[in-house]
Amino acid sequence: DGGITQSPKYLFRKEGQNVTLSCEQNLNHDAMYWYRQDPGQGLRLIYYSQIVNDFQKGDIAEGYSVSREKKESFPLTVTSAQKNPTAFYLCASSIMGTGGGNEQFFGPGTRLTVL
Amino acid sequence: ILNVEQSPQSLHVQEGDSTNFTCSFPSSNFYALHWYRWETAKSPEALFVMTLNGDEKKKGRISATLNTKEGYSYLYIKGSQPEDSATYLCALGSGANNLFFGTGTRLTVIP
Repeated sequence: DGGITQSPKYLFRKEGQNVTLSCEQNLNHDAMYWYRQDPGQGLRLIYYSQIVNDFQKGDIAEGYSVSREKKESFPLTVTSAQKNPTAFYLCASSIMGTGGGNEQFFGPGTRLTVL
Repeated sequence: ILNVEQSPQSLHVQEGDSTNFTCSFPSSNFYALHWYRWETAKSPEALFVMTLNGDEKKKGRISATLNTKEGYSYLYIKGSQPEDSATYLCALGSGANNLFFGTGTRLTVIP
């Protein structure tokens, strides 16, 4: 079955700790994305990557970091610099050259709670 | 950041009723308009991607129209069924490699 997996489903961390969210896809997509959802708001883009070893900041990148060492993997690290990290995080992928014109395929999400 | 607005925020309809919701977006820098369905405890799934003014797309009982000149898209559901209950997301692509999402319309179909 092709798709996107995210782990874990629920994650708890203590304030001041870094935490890494996993995202893996076997769709052979070049582009991958991280979004954040907060209550009452639309999905907001954190980072995206169009190709291995390259990524760009989205609208709300502060306090986050990513890597893209393999085509199928795009982990997101929520650092202690992120002031309000409690949120639902969605990973997505698409074929290259979205330009907004190709559908995105989403993972099931990770709910992060900072205690 | 582009402002994408969806209305209504939520609605309840009876099984069998038809319904529609709206997505409004800035008409400048338009590249594509996406509709996604997001059921509870599942991942968002693409319904339609539209790129041309006047586009109309249909998938079963669900259809969508696009007016890029005035900056809106409508999503229609004919004969709503309980399995149509979900949040419907609209997203605008502006030519860069990202999407700008609205806050969604949460539809509940009452049996």
